[in-house]
Amino acid sequence: EVQLLESGGRLVQPGGSLRLSCTASGFTFSAHAMSWVRQAPGKGLEWVSTISDGGGRTSYADSVKGRFTISRDTSKNTLFLQMNSLRAEDTAIYYCARVPISFFVSGYFEYWGQGTLVTVAS
Amino acid sequence: QSVLTQPPSMSGAPGQWVTISCTGTSSNIGADYDVHWYQQLPGTAPKLLIYANTNRPSGVPVRFSGSKSGASASLAITGLQAEDEADYYCQSYDTSLSGSVFGGGTKLTVL
Repeated sequence: EVQLLESGGRLVQPGGSLRLSCTASGFTFSAHAMSWVRQAPGKGLEWVSTISDGGGRTSYADSVKGRFTISRDTSKNTLFLQMNSLRAEDTAIYYCARVPISFFVSGYFEYWGQGTLVTVAS
Repeated sequence: QSVLTQPPSMSGAPGQWVTISCTGTSSNIGADYDVHWYQQLPGTAPKLLIYANTNRPSGVPVRFSGSKSGASASLAITGLQAEDEADYYCQSYDTSLSGSVFGGGTKLTVL
């Protein structure tokens, strides 16, 4: 059974940093691109970032480019999102999601974690 | 303002048929990129409902179907059930933005 478990969300001050993690199980982690998608309170879904299966390619939404960094550790089956220079508008539930094999940013999101809440406020 | 346009809300009685539209542009759906649909039940994570315009993942009831034409796509739900009350999102790829884009979501109410 595919499982994705996010962690690391918490209250952080504007301008602060945070690292989210997503631990994967039930599938060959190294065979899939992985993504982060967020959802602000009461709002819709917004794609944030995707990393290729091997980790050599990354892509970001304009809203986070230059501030967020996606990475992965295949040995630990874990996906990361390093978030710097956080703003109030980054407040959201952050979901990690698995992308089908052979896809990168043009793919879809097959499986989703339960999400972790990031709140940026003073 | 979402890149893909969906009606904010729709409703239908049990047993009825509803269609949710998703309108894009020549940079995304109109550029022949696939459309995917997600269902988000209250308080839960989104779940893949339709992928590549018309395909249902294993376990998704046949009551759900997708279609695409030109720069638009639709999600049809036949035989509405109370448990279909949820938010529905379409998603595609946009060449101008070089990334995935979502519709603003449609809140479906089963009367």
